[in-house]
Amino acid sequence: GAGVSQTPSNKVTEKGKYVELRCDPISGHTALYWYRQSLGQGPEFLIYFQGTGAADDSGLPNDRFFAVRPEGSVSTLKIQRTERGDSAVYLCASSFFELPSSGNTIYFGEGSWLTVV
Amino acid sequence: GQNIDQPTEMTATEGAIVQINCTYQTSGFNGLFWYQQHAGEAPTFLSYNVLDGLEEKGRFSSFLSRSKGYSYLLLKELQMKDSASYLCAVSPFSGTYKYIFGTGTRLKVLA
Repeated sequence: GAGVSQTPSNKVTEKGKYVELRCDPISGHTALYWYRQSLGQGPEFLIYFQGTGAADDSGLPNDRFFAVRPEGSVSTLKIQRTERGDSAVYLCASSFFELPSSGNTIYFGEGSWLTVV
Repeated sequence: GQNIDQPTEMTATEGAIVQINCTYQTSGFNGLFWYQQHAGEAPTFLSYNVLDGLEEKGRFSSFLSRSKGYSYLLLKELQMKDSASYLCAVSPFSGTYKYIFGTGTRLKVLA
């Protein structure tokens, strides 16, 4: 697609429920990142994939959070037993490859706004 | 630990120049990025500095001093559409976009 696509754009769920957030990166981008942004804060790293494998999941807050990218393209972030503190915007980003440089810009999606009530 | 500091809010007048500062203390350094984020939208890339000095791109310039752990974003000829949050981010780790972000500076441009 033309840009990073995230669905749903908005999700309201009850405390304790299971949620899946989907990210469709720009075609051909091998690196994919998930960030979480709370109100008034900067994005916080969660996990990144190079291809199908999670190269670094050190930012996942606890074992209720899990992410997959089975075919090296679309990724799903899964949150079990949601808590009110999970309410945030979940941002996905992708790039051609890992190395940061001005020629390898990272592109963010619009985000999935999650509200846990 | 990793720490990035930037002012929370700034106000400037249309047509003016504004400088947004960012200081960082990180375990490593592989580049500093500035992003613009309008309310409810995705962050969009503005600039990247990895060497000391000034990078200019149209109305936007970004400066880096690695020895001081300091950067600034300079916006010239401010327009109303420049009202947004400006995020400073550092890549401390070699080879990845595992950024550490500041909390962002909310810029209001007044007519």
